[in-house]
Amino acid sequence: GQNIDQPTEMTATEGAIVQINCTYQTSGFNGLFWYQQHAGEAPTFLSYNVLDGLEEKGRFSSFLSRSKGYSYLLLKELQMKDSASYLCASMDSNYQLIWGAGTKLIIKP
Amino acid sequence: ETGVTQTPRHLVMGMTNKKSLKCEQHLGHNAMYWYKQSAKKPLELMFVYNFKEQTENNSVPSRFSPECPNSSHLFLHLHTLQPEDSALYLCASSPPGMGLAGGGEQFFGPGTRLTVL
Repeated sequence: GQNIDQPTEMTATEGAIVQINCTYQTSGFNGLFWYQQHAGEAPTFLSYNVLDGLEEKGRFSSFLSRSKGYSYLLLKELQMKDSASYLCASMDSNYQLIWGAGTKLIIKP
Repeated sequence: ETGVTQTPRHLVMGMTNKKSLKCEQHLGHNAMYWYKQSAKKPLELMFVYNFKEQTENNSVPSRFSPECPNSSHLFLHLHTLQPEDSALYLCASSPPGMGLAGGGEQFFGPGTRLTVL
């Protein structure tokens, strides 16, 4: 079966660094996506990885290990506005996104 | 603003009502999607349209009926829903890209919060 696992909730402190992990098992693989979703709003695209390694984009970085079926999203210099849910999604062989349930990130001052 | 709009934003309906959700995108995308989002559950893909043709129907009950009159508009017609259908319904679109289903980065609308009484 197809499965995406990520923690349900995480808490971090403003200014700190947090890493949100995601493991995936899908029928085929065409890349790993991370989305951010603030409460009551639409999910918005953060990153896409299809090759192994780290992709850095400002305060956010995303890592992929295809052999391990593993990805993480790294958020640096946390700000209060980073409080949101972070959704991990793997694209399968049919180019459909298989979604995790999301990780709710709570930032404390 | 993602370029994808949905109306209404909130909807309360009884189990015998008929209502429709509307989605519109002017991003020039060819693929459009309906998702159901329930609390603490993964996004559930319901339907996919690519160039106005339905390419996916993920075992969705017939009380949900999609319609895609053109590549910019997508509807979800609702009738005789159940309380367990209460959820956030998200529409998304994606540009031409990977595979027949469009794939790639998806742009989401703000969703319709549906409550079935």
